[in-house]
Amino acid sequence: GESVGLHLPTLSVQEGDNSIINCAYSNSASDYFIWYKQESGKGPQFIIDIRSNMDKRQGQRVTVLLNKTVKHLSLQIAATQPGDSAVYFCAENIRTGGFKTIFGAGTRLFVKA
Amino acid sequence: NAGVTQTPKFQVLKTGQSMTLQCAQDMNHNSMYWYRQDPGMGLRLIYYSASEGTTDKGEVPNGYNVSRLNKREFSLRLESAAPSQTSVYFCASSEVFSNQPQHFGDGTRLSIL
Repeated sequence: GESVGLHLPTLSVQEGDNSIINCAYSNSASDYFIWYKQESGKGPQFIIDIRSNMDKRQGQRVTVLLNKTVKHLSLQIAATQPGDSAVYFCAENIRTGGFKTIFGAGTRLFVKA
Repeated sequence: NAGVTQTPKFQVLKTGQSMTLQCAQDMNHNSMYWYRQDPGMGLRLIYYSASEGTTDKGEVPNGYNVSRLNKREFSLRLESAAPSQTSVYFCASSEVFSNQPQHFGDGTRLSIL
C-alpha cells in the first residue's frame, strides 16, 4: 500500500474485544458528522453518520456517540475482527453561510488475531 | 455495482507535464468532489461541483482545473505539474450537496518527478 496514514495515532486491540476510536471536532457550528473507514490502497468507505440533534446512533456492530458539550465524537466497534483493521477518520460538516466538510487525519486500528 | 470509478490508478509525470484525472459515478448523484490526501493529513478539498453545470473552488485549488462534463463525470486537470502535487487524489460523489455521506473512488496515485 501507499504511505497514506504515516504518523497517525494507533490503536491495537485483540480480536473479539471492543474498540473505541475518538475524534475531537473543531467547530460548534458543525451539524453533521460521519465516520469513514479506509483500507490500504482503497478509498474511504462510509460507516455511520449522526446529526447534531442526536447523542447516539447504532449500526451493525458500530455505535457513534456525540458529545456536543466537549465537541467529541467516538466510534465504538463491537467484537472487533481482523477485517476491521484500517484507518478510521471522522468528518464534520459546518454551516457557515455556505457549507464545508473538514476531515480528520485518522486513527490506525490494528486487530491482533 | 461500480459506484465511483477513477482512472488512471497510478501515474508518474515529469515536472511541467499536464494530465487529466477522470472520474465517473453511476449512482445518479448530483454533487461531485475532488480531494487530495497527503501522509498524516486529512482529505483536503480541491474543487467541487454541487450540481451539474456548476463548479467551485475548495480549500486547495491552485494549480488545478475541473470540468463537470455531465451528471456522471467530473474531471481534474493539472496544467503544469509540480512536485508539490505528488499525492493520492480521490473523487467522491453525494446525492445532494449538504449533510450526506460521500462515496469515494479508490484513488489515483500521482507522482511528479
